[in-house]
Amino acid sequence: GQSLEQPSEVTAVEGAIVQINCTYQTSGFYGLSWYQQHDGGAPTFLSYNGLDGLEEKGRFSSFLSRSKGYSYLLLKELQMKDSASYLCAVMDSNYQLIWGAGTKLIIKP
Amino acid sequence: ETGVTQTPRHLVMGMTNKKSLKCEQHLGHNAMYWYKQSAKKPLELMFVYNFKEQTENNSVPSRFSPECPNSSHLFLHLHTLQPEDSALYLCASSQEGGSPYEQYFGPGTRLTVT
Repeated sequence: GQSLEQPSEVTAVEGAIVQINCTYQTSGFYGLSWYQQHDGGAPTFLSYNGLDGLEEKGRFSSFLSRSKGYSYLLLKELQMKDSASYLCAVMDSNYQLIWGAGTKLIIKP
Repeated sequence: ETGVTQTPRHLVMGMTNKKSLKCEQHLGHNAMYWYKQSAKKPLELMFVYNFKEQTENNSVPSRFSPECPNSSHLFLHLHTLQPEDSALYLCASSQEGGSPYEQYFGPGTRLTVT
């Protein structure tokens, strides 16, 4: 079967750094994406990792280890507007996205 | 605004009703998707269309019927739904042959079946 595991909730403090993990077991792997979804909103694309290593985009970075079936999203200098759910998704052998259930990030002042 | 619109935003329907959800994308994409999102569950891919042709149907019950008249429009026709079909239905699009890992989502239709 195919599965993606993420913690259901993570809490952090404004201005700090937080890491959100995603582990996966899928049939075929063509990359992993991260999306942000605010309550009542649509998922919006954040990043994509096709190869091992770190991809940096401003305050957000995403890391991938294909041998370990593991990725994380790193958010720096947290702002209150970063409070949202973060979804990881793997592109499988059918070139379709398989999604995790999402991690709700709670930011405290 | 992602360039993908969905109507209606909210829909309440009885189990014997027939209704349709509409999605329109203004991004020039060639692939469109229907997803179901239930609370605390992963997004479930329902249907995929590439260049107006259906390429995926992930064991979706026949009470959900998609229609894609052109690359910009996608419909989901609903009939004799069950209460467990209550969920957020999301439409998305991507550039076929480019980056299907980067999808653009509409705001969704919140469906309640009574």
